This record gives sequence, structure tokens and C-alpha cells, in this order.
Amino acid sequence: EAQVTQNPRYLITVTGKKLTVTCSQNMNHEYMSWYRQDPGLGLRQIYYSMNVEVTDKGDVPEGYKVSRKEKRNFPLILESPSPNQTSLYFCASSLFGRGLTYSNQPQHFGDGTRLSIL
Amino acid sequence: ILNVEQSPQSLHVQEGDSTNFTCSFPSSNFYALHWYRWETAKSPEALFVMTLNGDEKKKGRISATLNTKEGYSYLYIKGSQPEDSATYLCAFSGYSTLTFGKGTMLLVSP
Repeated sequence: EAQVTQNPRYLITVTGKKLTVTCSQNMNHEYMSWYRQDPGLGLRQIYYSMNVEVTDKGDVPEGYKVSRKEKRNFPLILESPSPNQTSLYFCASSLFGRGLTYSNQPQHFGDGTRLSIL
Repeated sequence: ILNVEQSPQSLHVQEGDSTNFTCSFPSSNFYALHWYRWETAKSPEALFVMTLNGDEKKKGRISATLNTKEGYSYLYIKGSQPEDSATYLCAFSGYSTLTFGKGTMLLVSP
């Protein structure tokens, strides 16, 4: 089954304790992205990757790191989590589209990770 | 940061009503406009991706139109059903980034 898998689904942790949220897709998609969802703010893009070893900042990258060592995996790293990073996080992936752009391909989302940082 | 506006913020209709929502976006540097359906406790699912001015797309009772020159898209639901209850998100796509609106929350009562 084609899917984007995030782990963990839920995590409660404390300020300053490094954590990693994993994301894996089995669709051979080039493009992967992380979003956070906060009440009243909508989905906001944190980081994205257009292919292996190619990553770039989205709208809200502060406090996050990513890596893309393999095509299928795109982990989100919080080196020193803070309470303002408490949120619902989604990973998504898509194909490289027609006209050499990623923009015209739909995003496939994972089930989400709810992080609470105390 | 780009400004993508959706209206209304929420909508409550009766089963059988037809409804529509609006997504406004910048008309410059436009690559595509996405619509997603997001049910509670699930993840967003793609409805449509539109790229050309005047595009119209349809999936069952749901359809969408696109005007890139004036920077808006409409999503229509004909004969709403309770299972249509969800948040509908639009997203403006540049070459490599996606900027989402805050969504329109639709509740359809039987």
C-alpha cells in the first residue's frame, strides 16, 4: 500500500531533550516536506527536500533540522525542543511533476505526529 | 510569507444544500493551486491541483474553478451530505513551496 509513515504518532517530552520524528514513504517520491499545524494558523511549511541531499527552509524553520540521506526517509529533528514547538506535525511527499516542477503534483500526507513539549 | 485567504472560516449547512468556498492568493509567481479535504483525526487528502487560468475540475459532487489573473479559486459542493463534513484547505504553490490557507470548516447536518 502506498503510504507516508510517521513515527511516533504521539510524544510528550520535556524542554531541551533532543527528539527525532521519522518520516518514510514507499512511493519513490522525490519531494518531501514537513508541516506544522497550530490552531488558527493553518498548516505551515517547516522544511522541504527536492531530492536526496537537497533540503531547504520553508516558512517556519527555526528550531528544526532535517536530513535527506535516502530518498524514502526525511526525519525532522528538534535539537533542543521548547514549549512553542508543541504542535501537530505532518510529513508529506509528492512526485516530480510535468514541466520540471513539483508544484503541480498533489501532496500525500502521513497520519501526523502530535508533540507536546513541557 | 505569502498570504492565502479562505472564506468563510466555517459553514454549517443542511443535507442537500449546495455550498461554495473561496480561496484568494497572490496572482504573481503562480505555479499551481491545490485543494485538500481534511477530516477530523485523519490527514489531508488531495482533491484537485489546478495550474491554468480558467481550469475547472470535478470529482463527483465537488468541483473547483481557478482564476489566476485575479487570484482566486472557488470550491463547490453540490447537494452536501453529512460525509462531506470536513475542513477544506487550499494551498498556493510556488516552484517548490506550498503555502496553505487556514481552511474552511464545513459541517453538514442531516
